[in-house]
Amino acid sequence: DTAVSQTPKYLVTQMGNDKSIKCEQNLGHDTMYWYKQDSKKFLKIMFSYNNKELIINETVPNRFSPKSPDKAHLNLHINSLELGDSAVYFCASSQGLATGANVLTFGAGSRLTVL
Amino acid sequence: DQQVKQNSPSLSVQEGRISILNCDYTNSMFDYFLWYKKYPAEGPTFLISISSIKDKNEDGRFTVFLNKSAKHLSLHIVPSQPGDSAVYFCAARGLSGNTPLVFGKGTRLSVIA
Repeated sequence: DTAVSQTPKYLVTQMGNDKSIKCEQNLGHDTMYWYKQDSKKFLKIMFSYNNKELIINETVPNRFSPKSPDKAHLNLHINSLELGDSAVYFCASSQGLATGANVLTFGAGSRLTVL
Repeated sequence: DQQVKQNSPSLSVQEGRISILNCDYTNSMFDYFLWYKKYPAEGPTFLISISSIKDKNEDGRFTVFLNKSAKHLSLHIVPSQPGDSAVYFCAARGLSGNTPLVFGKGTRLSVIA
């Protein structure tokens, strides 16, 4: 049973479209994250939610809108997709805020390709 | 601005030998350091961590060394096994819970049988 699951795993779409990536964790964690791994391979934080409350928003264009209906889910909606949005998006979760030894558990990633 | 740097994009090691992966950081406020391992088409998985109050942490074949004065840490794998072939990410965070985990670009380790 997958701890952090993301859907879809692959997504190919045209510029200008709107798309969503869903994430669910069954670990009972309070905190969830979205990370983006771009073509340069950096893994960069985008958003963090703790108990459905946004706590980190790292200079991400407002075309990206996270939504957390409950603490087990954190979905990412992207409006007006651009070529530069092509990347692998990783969802992660942790027990409480990520301090000290608090480890993040990652999903397998969702590869988004914008044509 | 790269706060966590892994300057070697790849490393090849013979099976049974030691693998040493290096990581440098610039932010002196980082107080906890982690290594993650990633296989293709999977998410990163936690491997080992070290607090800034320590200089060494060992877990089986994996040891992480921290040199705070040099802002440098390294991951030693000994003996290296073919199953260790993966991308290894160094990551760091500050004290505050609102501080995100900052990752390096990763080093691809290939262990040759």
